[in-house]
Amino acid sequence: QVQLVESGGGVVQPGRSLRLSCAASGFTFSAYGMHWVRQASGKGLEWVAVIWSDGSNQYYADSVKGRFTISRDNSKNTLFLQMDSLRAEDTAVYYCVRDRGGWPADYFDYWGRGALVTVSS
Amino acid sequence: QSVLTQPPSVSGAPGQRVTISCTGSSSNIGAGYNVHWYQQLPGTAPKLLMYVNNNRPSGVPDRFSGSKSGTSASLAITGLQAEDEADYYCQSYDSSLSALVFGGGTKVTVL
Repeated sequence: QVQLVESGGGVVQPGRSLRLSCAASGFTFSAYGMHWVRQASGKGLEWVAVIWSDGSNQYYADSVKGRFTISRDNSKNTLFLQMDSLRAEDTAVYYCVRDRGGWPADYFDYWGRGALVTVSS
Repeated sequence: QSVLTQPPSVSGAPGQRVTISCTGSSSNIGAGYNVHWYQQLPGTAPKLLMYVNNNRPSGVPDRFSGSKSGTSASLAITGLQAEDEADYYCQSYDSSLSALVFGGGTKVTVL
């Protein structure tokens, strides 16, 4: 069965960096685009970034553009999110999500359990 | 302020029918982009509930149905059950933002 397991969350000071990982299993990872979606506590869902199946293209939400970088290692079935210059408003649960539909018709068919990132001094 | 507008809450008694609206604009739903729906039970990750406007993934009861018209979409739940108490989100693409966008979410309460 499809499994997506996030790791790397934690507490970080404003302005510092953090890298999230997502280990994928149960499907051919290299055949699917992947996303990060986040959710602040008690708030709604916010799309963060997408990377194509072969890593050739990435798109970002304006709120993270220039600060976050999505990448993947298809040989290790792993998705990454490098988060730099973190701000308090980046505090959220970050979900690793599998893509269906293809850009821009994407939707999300499998979700991980999420990794909590807290940006606080 | 979300690009897609949903009512904050809806409620109904067991067995009743409730609908959740998702109102967009000419740069997203009105431009022909598909609408998808997710259900988030308390304390869990979201789950795909409806894709490409009115398609249910395997395992989703046929009590759930979706529709789209003009700049809006709707999710209907018929025969409301206690287990349907959750947050529901619509999602589409916005060409002005060049981004995937969600509605603000609707909390469904079973009375």
